[in-house]
Amino acid sequence: DAGVIQSPRHEVTEMGQEVTLRCKPISGHNSLFWYRQTMMRGLELLIYFNNNVPIDDSGMPEDRFSAKMPNASFSTLKIQPSEPRDSAVYFCASSLGFGAETNEKLFFGSGTQLSVL
Amino acid sequence: QKEVEQNSGPLSVPEGAIASLNCTYSDRGSQSFFWYRQYSGKSPELIMSIYSNGDKEDGRFTAQLNKASQYVSLLIRDSQPSDSATYLCAVITFGNEKLTFGTGTRLTIIP
Repeated sequence: DAGVIQSPRHEVTEMGQEVTLRCKPISGHNSLFWYRQTMMRGLELLIYFNNNVPIDDSGMPEDRFSAKMPNASFSTLKIQPSEPRDSAVYFCASSLGFGAETNEKLFFGSGTQLSVL
Repeated sequence: QKEVEQNSGPLSVPEGAIASLNCTYSDRGSQSFFWYRQYSGKSPELIMSIYSNGDKEDGRFTAQLNKASQYVSLLIRDSQPSDSATYLCAVITFGNEKLTFGTGTRLTIIP
């Protein structure tokens, strides 16, 4: 398996523009997570899905952020409009799911480095 | 109070010595505990998981869990320069099903 695939690897945009980040989880994984990483705040969970259904989006900073998972093999995180403070590395991760010790390992994608100017 | 707290470091350890990384968590309902390693510019990868009080050993790595004191630690024996990375502590709370990370401890092994 190719692992979790994220695109793009790098995104540079101007304030006010729409940004869409994409993720393909590992085939067979039931849970998908979007994290944001900054030096100041570390890894923050934004939202996670289980079987394509959003379970907890309490980490989404504000209405400018939205995430979808239309099917088991694809998810998007959209920021509209983007702001300089959104600059961070955004990671997507997938797992077999929680509730059983063998399933709780998270596999991370390579991340998207977002810079909003 | 942060849910998961770690000393940000940097922690410098001579090659061949034992590196000790610590983590405390606030929610007594936490039941699953993990250590992830993240090299600079890379994504986190799981190196250890622990679920019961006591020690769990895997090669040069030992995870220690004390639920009464709400801390979890990671020991790295015979430290190697390749162990230089940021180590992230993470916990799952029963019924929450969210993996919450600490901010990480940056470890540097000095040759």
